[in-house]
Amino acid sequence: EPEVTQTPSHQVTQMGQEVILRCVPISNHLYFYWYRQILGQKVEFLVSFYNNEISEKSEIFDDQFSVERPDGSNFTLKIRSTKLEDSAMYFCASITDRTNEKLFFGSGTQLSVL
Amino acid sequence: ELKVEQNPLFLSMQEGKNYTIYCNYSTTSDRLYWYRQDPGKSLESLFVLLSNGAVKQEGRLMASLDTKARLSTLHITAAVHDLSATYFCAVASGGSYIPTFGRGTSLIVHP
Repeated sequence: EPEVTQTPSHQVTQMGQEVILRCVPISNHLYFYWYRQILGQKVEFLVSFYNNEISEKSEIFDDQFSVERPDGSNFTLKIRSTKLEDSAMYFCASITDRTNEKLFFGSGTQLSVL
Repeated sequence: ELKVEQNPLFLSMQEGKNYTIYCNYSTTSDRLYWYRQDPGKSLESLFVLLSNGAVKQEGRLMASLDTKARLSTLHITAAVHDLSATYFCAVASGGSYIPTFGRGTSLIVHP
């Protein structure tokens, strides 16, 4: 079965540093998402992306966050100046079209901000 | 704002027993999802329920949806240790296809 691939699997950074989390969605998918999960808590929606622009975003997705699809295959989440509370598992997900039943999630990037 | 509530949040059960996890949500749903997550792993899609009365089964798991009661259940039959995981309910509603997740139910099945 095709997979959503995320790199790195773990990222440790100092508070205030910029991080970029990378995702390679499944090749024929059109909609892309970032979610995060703080340890032991629920999975929270951050942003959705379609046709090279943000289609929806949550309150969590403030000016410190940005997404882009620089080369037609990678889908990145950038956090400009990390805070301690950004420590979480970040999941990328993709889907062919929004009527499709199954949202495919990647294996996640565990971000630790020290 | 859509709220998704799961209960119980923690469930410890013996192998061979049956149990049900409940998912209540606050607005009308377009689709309801059940996901499984093993520790440190990603989310695996189990079921997507689209309409009132929908029932889907896979192995020892059966999910159902009652849109009038805004309730979905995930029923576990004759639990086995391999079912130990966290189970999330998620709901998309109001024309948005973006699932809002519940807090998850952490299930441990003891021999």
